[in-house]
Amino acid sequence: NAGVTQTPKFQVLKTGQSMTLQCAQDMNHNSMYWYRQDPGMGLRLIYYSASEGTTDKGEVPNGYNVSRLNKREFSLRLESAAPSQTSVYFCASKEDNGLAGEQFFGPGTRLTVL
Amino acid sequence: AQSVTQPDIHITVSEGASLELRCNYSYGATPYLFWYVQSPGQGLQLLLKYFSGDTLVQGIKGFEAEFKRSQSSFNLRKPSVHWSDAAEYFCAVDGYNAGNMLTFGGGTRLMVKP
Repeated sequence: NAGVTQTPKFQVLKTGQSMTLQCAQDMNHNSMYWYRQDPGMGLRLIYYSASEGTTDKGEVPNGYNVSRLNKREFSLRLESAAPSQTSVYFCASKEDNGLAGEQFFGPGTRLTVL
Repeated sequence: AQSVTQPDIHITVSEGASLELRCNYSYGATPYLFWYVQSPGQGLQLLLKYFSGDTLVQGIKGFEAEFKRSQSSFNLRKPSVHWSDAAEYFCAVDGYNAGNMLTFGGGTRLMVKP
């Protein structure tokens, strides 16, 4: 049981390049989330998926797209990277028990855009 | 909109001393409340959570938190800090909105002096 896994761990891009961050969970959770973490700002939600086949914008969706490939996988795509997207990205999934359950986080992807 | 404030960006305590990290939230009703810890270069780990009932909740690693509705606070405490507690701590609110999104505070970085 690996929990939430993310690839890659580190990435350096040049402005204008594109890339996809991968996330997978093996806990059979319905809900999955993408956050970015910037110093002093905590984590801010980019996109989330409440169930397979659905995605919704969070607080800071501009410049990003997501795909919920299946129940396990939720990817985040940067079509044209900008220096403002330099950040640490975390994927999370949530247990579904009818209440606001715990979110489980992956180890993060540290992205630098030059 | 819900919000979370962690007034202390950095806190330094001596090993063996007591600790209190402050968290204030803004929400129209009683939210679900969480404390997460992040060690350097790692993802987030749940310390404890409050949904309802007893306002004093116990968590892992000897931490506890008290929900005070009148003060809109959910402060984290530990009676005796260990050097391994040095990390960043995040308070989060789930207002059981669509997708059960978490809103995070900006974080408090804890340093422990030997």
